[in-house]
Amino acid sequence: DAGVIQSPRHEVTEMGQEVTLRCKPISGHNSLFWYRQTMMRGLELLIYFNNNVPIDDSGMPEDRFSAKMPNASFSTLKIQPSEPRDSAVYFCASSLSGGFHEQYFGPGTRLTVT
Amino acid sequence: TQLLEQSPQFLSIQEGENLTVYCNSSSVFSSLQWYRQEPGEGPVLLVTVVTGGEVKKLKRLTFQFGDARKDSSLHITAAQPGDTGLYLCAGAESGGSNYKLTFGKGTLLTVNP
Repeated sequence: DAGVIQSPRHEVTEMGQEVTLRCKPISGHNSLFWYRQTMMRGLELLIYFNNNVPIDDSGMPEDRFSAKMPNASFSTLKIQPSEPRDSAVYFCASSLSGGFHEQYFGPGTRLTVT
Repeated sequence: TQLLEQSPQFLSIQEGENLTVYCNSSSVFSSLQWYRQEPGEGPVLLVTVVTGGEVKKLKRLTFQFGDARKDSSLHITAAQPGDTGLYLCAGAESGGSNYKLTFGKGTLLTVNP
């Protein structure tokens, strides 16, 4: 099993640009999570999908953030326009179901907005 | 909002020493997980504790869930350089959504050879 795959691993962009982060969950997992990690706030849940449907997006900070899951094997997190305060490591995680099962995290995307 | 406070925030010790890190909250959790995160990687689950007072052992690591399910501790015996990493606790809300984890900010452990 390849694990959760995220791309790109690193992204440096200028303020105002659109950023798209990508995630491929583990095959067979039907729950997908996007998290953001910073020194100040730690690891925060942004959005949770179950069976490709967004269930909880209460953690999405602003309208500049949007997430999609067009099929069971792909999800995107988009920031438009990006701002310096969006700089963080963004993680995608997947699990077997919406219940309290182990979440498998990807390696993360380190985003720097200048 | 349920908060998890982890202490200490940073810990640097010598190989062979014992250590304990803590995870505390004023809220009750239905279960609690401990993760370890290495630089440049995502967190990896170490253990899940569910029952108040539960103790689980994973080789040199001992995890305990408080009787009231509000706190937890991780004890490492004879620490090794390979134990270096960020240790995160994460709690699932009691009576709430069972998918939602609240993470602490972590304890960054460095074990020096």
